[in-house]
Amino acid sequence: EVQLVESGGGLVQPGRSLKLSCAASGFTFSNYYMAWVRQAPKKGLEWVATISTSGSRTYYPDSVKGRFTISRDNAKSSLYLQMNSLKSEDTATYYCARDNYGWFAYWGQGTLVTVSS
Amino acid sequence: DIQLTQSPSSMSASLGDRVSLTCQSSQGIGNYLSWYQHKPGKPPKPMIYYATNLADGVPSRFSGSRSGSDYSLTISSLESEDTAIYYCLQYDEYPRTFGGGTKLELK
Repeated sequence: EVQLVESGGGLVQPGRSLKLSCAASGFTFSNYYMAWVRQAPKKGLEWVATISTSGSRTYYPDSVKGRFTISRDNAKSSLYLQMNSLKSEDTATYYCARDNYGWFAYWGQGTLVTVSS
Repeated sequence: DIQLTQSPSSMSASLGDRVSLTCQSSQGIGNYLSWYQHKPGKPPKPMIYYATNLADGVPSRFSGSRSGSDYSLTISSLESEDTAIYYCLQYDEYPRTFGGGTKLELK
């Protein structure tokens, strides 16, 4: 059974940093692109980042480019999202997702990030 | 960036109704479109991928179709458990983009 478990969310002040983790199991992690998707309160879904199988290629929307960094450790079947210079508009539930050639076939339960002073 | 426009933004229907939700793309994306069902407190659930393919475990009352740049998610006979917000996603190019969602409620 595919499982994705996010951790690392919490309350953080504007301008500070936070690192999210996603532990994957039930599939060969190194064979799949992985992604982060978020949902701000009362808003829709927003794609945040995608990383290739080896980690050599990463993709971001303009809203987080230069502030967020997606990475992975295939030996640990883990995905990460380093978030720097956080803004109030980054407040959201962050989901880890398995990328199946572009669409998101499996999702974690999500971790809440609140950016507030 | 590719824009996806979902319509209607919200709707209500009765049990047993046939319901169709629409997602229009601002440019050609072929069949690289997927649909997700999202309920409060739960992660999004994939419903359709590659425009017309049913994801694992999705009931057969759901179907996806395409006409040009218009994509539809159809529920042949609405059940109470289908109330949710539905989002489309294009994965033809980066940045990936979601539609604004359609909130489906029971009448």
